[in-house]
Amino acid sequence: KNEVEQSPQNLTAQEGEFITINCSYSVGISALHWLQQHPGGGIVSLFMLSSGKKKHGRLIATINIQEKHSSLHITASHPRDSAVYICAVRFGNEKLTFGTGTRLTIIP
Amino acid sequence: DTGVSQDPRHKITKRGQNVTFRCDPISEHNRLYWYRQTLGQGPEFLTYFQNEAQLEKSRLLSDRFSAERPKGSFSTLEIQRTEQGDSAMYLCASSLSPGNGGSSEQFFGPGTRLTVL
Repeated sequence: KNEVEQSPQNLTAQEGEFITINCSYSVGISALHWLQQHPGGGIVSLFMLSSGKKKHGRLIATINIQEKHSSLHITASHPRDSAVYICAVRFGNEKLTFGTGTRLTIIP
Repeated sequence: DTGVSQDPRHKITKRGQNVTFRCDPISEHNRLYWYRQTLGQGPEFLTYFQNEAQLEKSRLLSDRFSAERPKGSFSTLEIQRTEQGDSAMYLCASSLSPGNGGSSEQFFGPGTRLTVL
């Protein structure tokens, strides 16, 4: 069965802390996406990657194909980073299979 | 281009009524996707189109659900005889296929929140 698991489900941290959110999947994939969802529902695509590492501002995404694992890191976290972060993978066909999300709260 | 748009943003209906949602993708995007998200869960795939062709449908899409993309641009998702279990956020996304069978980034709309009373 094609599955995606995220951890932790909820994460609360102080402003400035380094944040790591993890995603594991069950079988080989063609691509992995990290998405951000704010209250009210809007989803923003942060990264799409199939190997290695990508960086955008304070956000870094890494993927280890052999271990079937990806991480999203946020450096110097800020209250505006508070959102739900969702990992989604493509198992070879076009559709995305989503994790249940990690709710991140950054306290000033 | 202002991105993917969806209409309406909110819909409240009574059980048994039919509802229709619209999605306008980014203009040059040839792929369009529909997802459903219930409270506290990640989105679930419903169906997707490449141009006007509906290429895949999830088993979640019962015979009460139908989606169309008649001219390969905007798409509609209709739910007939709504049930309380249909209450969810319905998300649309679009992408431009890279032409080599590879993956492409999906851009999401703001969603339509459906409440069935």
